[in-house]
This record gives sequence, structure tokens and C-alpha cells, in this order.
Amino acid sequence: QQQVKQSPQSLIVQKGGIPIINCAYENTAFDYFPWYQQFPGKGPALLIAIRPDVSEKKEGRFTISFNKSAKQFSLHIMDSQPGDSATYFCAASTQAGTALIFGKGTTLSVSS
Amino acid sequence: DAGVIQSPRHEVTEMGQEVTLRCKPISGHNSLFWYRQTMMRGLELLIYFNNNVPIDDSGMPEDRFSAKMPNASFSTLKIQPSEPRDSAVYFCAAGQFANTGELFFGEGSRLTVL
Repeated sequence: QQQVKQSPQSLIVQKGGIPIINCAYENTAFDYFPWYQQFPGKGPALLIAIRPDVSEKKEGRFTISFNKSAKQFSLHIMDSQPGDSATYFCAASTQAGTALIFGKGTTLSVSS
Repeated sequence: DAGVIQSPRHEVTEMGQEVTLRCKPISGHNSLFWYRQTMMRGLELLIYFNNNVPIDDSGMPEDRFSAKMPNASFSTLKIQPSEPRDSAVYFCAAGQFANTGELFFGEGSRLTVL
């Protein structure tokens, strides 16, 4: 079922740094690519999402870059803050609303 | 709205016992997903429902696992008999997924099988 591969598994950056998390997918039918953020003891929550008709989407300090030909997408966090410390999951599904498949997650720690 | 409500939040049981996890989705959300989270395997999709109908249960590990959604406001995930390797956090997530693409997760049920 591992159709979305995520890296790195963990990431440590200093406050103000720009962590980058990468994902690659196999199924060319995927056309919806969200990122979820999870804090300890909580369920994941939608952070930002992109569809393949654009190559980049920005919401606040969070940016998704999308490369359809390479079947890869990434999350960049600008000016990272200690409050961004969490686990980040990339995911993929089809626009028809079939199953949402998650990557294995990246644990981000932002030190002050 | 209170969001997706899961119960119990924590369950400790002994191998061989039956475990039932419960989920109440947000009213009006017609898609419901069950996921299992472990350190080794991340978030695994177990099964999902659209309009109370099971669409894909290929992620259910084996026959010991079963899920039902008798109506739009309630779903259960049952493990019988439970084994230590079933220890994980089980999440229920719901949404108008086909329209919005967004899932709302509950806070999870942490299961420990001794």
C-alpha cells in the first residue's frame, strides 16, 4: 500500500531555518496532494494542499512545490518557529475522492 | 460542532480479548476512514466508507478485523481476537471528501494489547 514515499524521517532545524520535506508517488492517477500536520496526542490536521494544474502553492509560511513529470512534491516551511515542531505527513488521492494514502511522516524539531 | 469523536481514548487489554473502537463523525460528512498509526508503518488506511457503504477494505490486516457503519453518525472497528501486534493508535477521520478533499481526524484511540 506504500504508494507515497516520504523523506527524511526526521529533521532538526534552528529557528528561522527552512525545512524541506520531500514526497514521491507512483500512481499517475493521483491528482490531489495534501499535507497534514500532527501534534503529539492529536489527530492529523490539513495544512495545505495542491492539485497538479499548478507547480506551487503558498499559504502563509508554508509552500508546496509540485513536479508532475518527476512525480514528486515537497513542503517548505519559511522562517520556521518552535511551534512548527510536529510530524508532517504528505498524502495523495484521486479527485474522485478515493482513498487518501499517507506517507510515513517526518518529525520536525525546530530549536530556539 | 464537537468534531470527530472517538472512544475509548485509551484501551489496555489482554491478548485474545475482543476490542471495539467507536467513532462519531461530524454531521453531514459522508466519507469515513479508519487509519492505524505505528512508528514503523506510519498511517495505514484500514477501510473507508462513502454514504455508510464500505468502499475499500483492502487495508484490513486480516479476518480478525471488521468495521461497520450502521448509520451516518456511527462507526465501529472491532478486533477479535486481539494480539500484541495490534497495539497502535487507531484514528477515525471524516469529511465531504469527494467535494473538498479534506479529512477531519479524531484524537485517536490508543490500543495496547498485552
